[in-house]
Amino acid sequence: QKEVEQNSGPLSVPEGAIASLNCTYSDRGSQSFFWYRQYSGKSPELIMFIYSNGDKEDGRFTAQLNKASQYVSLLIRDSQPSDSATYLCALPARNQFYFGTGTSLTVIP
Amino acid sequence: DGGITQSPKYLFRKEGQNVTLSCEQNLNHDAMYWYRQDPGQGLRLIYYSQIVNDFQKGDIAEGYSVSREKKESFPLTVTSAQKNPTAFYLCAIDRDTEAFFGQGTRLTVV
Repeated sequence: QKEVEQNSGPLSVPEGAIASLNCTYSDRGSQSFFWYRQYSGKSPELIMFIYSNGDKEDGRFTAQLNKASQYVSLLIRDSQPSDSATYLCALPARNQFYFGTGTSLTVIP
Repeated sequence: DGGITQSPKYLFRKEGQNVTLSCEQNLNHDAMYWYRQDPGQGLRLIYYSQIVNDFQKGDIAEGYSVSREKKESFPLTVTSAQKNPTAFYLCAIDRDTEAFFGQGTRLTVV
């Protein structure tokens, strides 16, 4: 079983809509979770991290963590064409970082 | 200006040839990582190093080698034993529990 599972998509949403991205994880003891955005041909960049159960908001982005159900989500409100990218969830464990396979998001103008 | 520098940005390898990818950081962090990214497969760990003169194999270390002689440098050699090396290679550091990446090297076998 993989440490992190992610729906690879692709996901398409119209401009201005809410995009919802999800990950599940296998280790109930995992404490921290990260969301990265990766544009085509570029390296991943951190956009959100979350440690506590519940929601964490940063501008148009909201990370949600549910430790009981072992999933973490990223919501992008008022989606813009510039949000079109691959989104990776990640968690640190055993001296390394585990990444999901990424969800490709396209925001249609 | 602190950061991670990977070079070259693009690299072409002939069959049977060894090539070395450079990763240098001036952020004074101990832990460094090499990941490989293939389409649809996310990031897979090749090697990591927690401290100078020590490194550990990741999930896909076969056909690769590394060294960590200096804190700032963690080069990755792709040997001829790696049969399918075409991929995007990413070097990262552990920056306060966050994985922080260099700009990547795209390796292509010709």
